[in-house]
Amino acid sequence: GEDVEQSLFLSVREGDSSVINCTYTDSSSTYLYWYKQEPGAGLQLLTYIFSNMDMKQDQRLTVLLNKKDKHLSLRIADTQTGDSAIYFCAENGEDSSYKLIFGSGTRLLVRP
Amino acid sequence: GAVVSQHPSWVICKSGTSVKIECRSLDFQATTMFWYRQFPKQSLMLMATSNEGSKATYEQGVEKDKFLINHASLTLSTLTVTSAHPEDSSFYICSAQNSGKNTGELFFGEGSRLTVL
Repeated sequence: GEDVEQSLFLSVREGDSSVINCTYTDSSSTYLYWYKQEPGAGLQLLTYIFSNMDMKQDQRLTVLLNKKDKHLSLRIADTQTGDSAIYFCAENGEDSSYKLIFGSGTRLLVRP
Repeated sequence: GAVVSQHPSWVICKSGTSVKIECRSLDFQATTMFWYRQFPKQSLMLMATSNEGSKATYEQGVEKDKFLINHASLTLSTLTVTSAHPEDSSFYICSAQNSGKNTGELFFGEGSRLTVL
């Protein structure tokens, strides 16, 4: 079945770059996503990448996709304290473009 | 931008009662919505796919008689937790796909926290 894995915790200093990693198993995924969840809130879509792309950049966010290794990463440049949150990667399930399978989430803590 | 609203955002109920949670797409139509459940410090678990005008599709292990889903219009899906028990306490999140666009993007509600006493 489909499986998405992430490291649980990352701590960085304000101003540094953060890199959150994710591995997935379903090679048929069309899209891969990064969502942000702040405490007690729903999910906010940060960015997504189409599976035939290697990289996507959107302001401070850079997504890298290594389809061969089934590895996805999210780099946040110049990390701010407001970036502290849980970050989920997700892939669309094998039987639907919009049925998402989420990773366990990486808690990012940004230290002043 | 596309907004998905859930109501209520927080509900406390007694064991044995039923609770209805609404998920609305405010500025777009959604033929498909999804319901997720999230336990503390855990990921989102897909419960079911809600299809407008037809029966919901439930994931393995999710009791359809326990979690009733109705998607009667293109902008509203409801999740009813029937005869709720403390183990049903969780954060329930819905998401919706914009039927008019094919961007691969899902929009999420703010979540509804259910506490069953």
